[in-house]
Amino acid sequence: AQTVTQSQPEMSVQEAETVTLSCTYDTSESDYYLFWYKQPPSRQMILVIRQEAYKQQNATENRFSVNFQKAAKSFSLKISDSQLGDAAMYFCAYRRLGNEKLTFGTGTRLTIIP
Amino acid sequence: DAGVIQSPRHEVTEMGQEVTLRCKPISGHNSLFWYRQTMMRGLELLIYFNNNVPIDDSGMPEDRFSAKMPNASFSTLKIQPSEPRDSAVYFCASSRSGSSYNEQFFGPGTRLTVL
Repeated sequence: AQTVTQSQPEMSVQEAETVTLSCTYDTSESDYYLFWYKQPPSRQMILVIRQEAYKQQNATENRFSVNFQKAAKSFSLKISDSQLGDAAMYFCAYRRLGNEKLTFGTGTRLTIIP
Repeated sequence: DAGVIQSPRHEVTEMGQEVTLRCKPISGHNSLFWYRQTMMRGLELLIYFNNNVPIDDSGMPEDRFSAKMPNASFSTLKIQPSEPRDSAVYFCASSRSGSSYNEQFFGPGTRLTVL
């Protein structure tokens, strides 16, 4: 079974600085998708960024980028120029190709220090 | 687009009562998912439907939980009888299978408290 591990329950960063959230996963599959979701205090789950395993190029969405290391089964999220609105729980998720089921990590609570 | 709609947003009930959570997926989406979020267990997939048919219900905790999707625009998750340990936030999500990422869009969730 696939598992997703987020080893940092909490992180904090100074406003305008850069922070990296870690995620590792375990799978025997070669084709899959990885996602980062954000859950602010409103509790709405919002997709931040996504990556296809067969793409070597790391995904980027404005201030958000990932470092995808397939061999190491690592999928970290980097947030540049952190803003107060980035404060939230961040969840890493995995989905196998051909299967719609998402497996989530336990989340990292990110605090932005003004 | 209105997004995924869930009702009620909050539900407080007493142990033993029946609880029904409702979800309207995004129009045009043909897959629907029910998740439960708790501090102890995080986000768990309970069940998902594709074209109104249940595909994977392995996450449904026990017989007290049941889910239906009578048509493409409506689904319910029912707990009968409810217990305090069912207290959680329940999310509904929908996606359009066959799209490149099958991205799941989440509703705002229903916070259930069972006293």
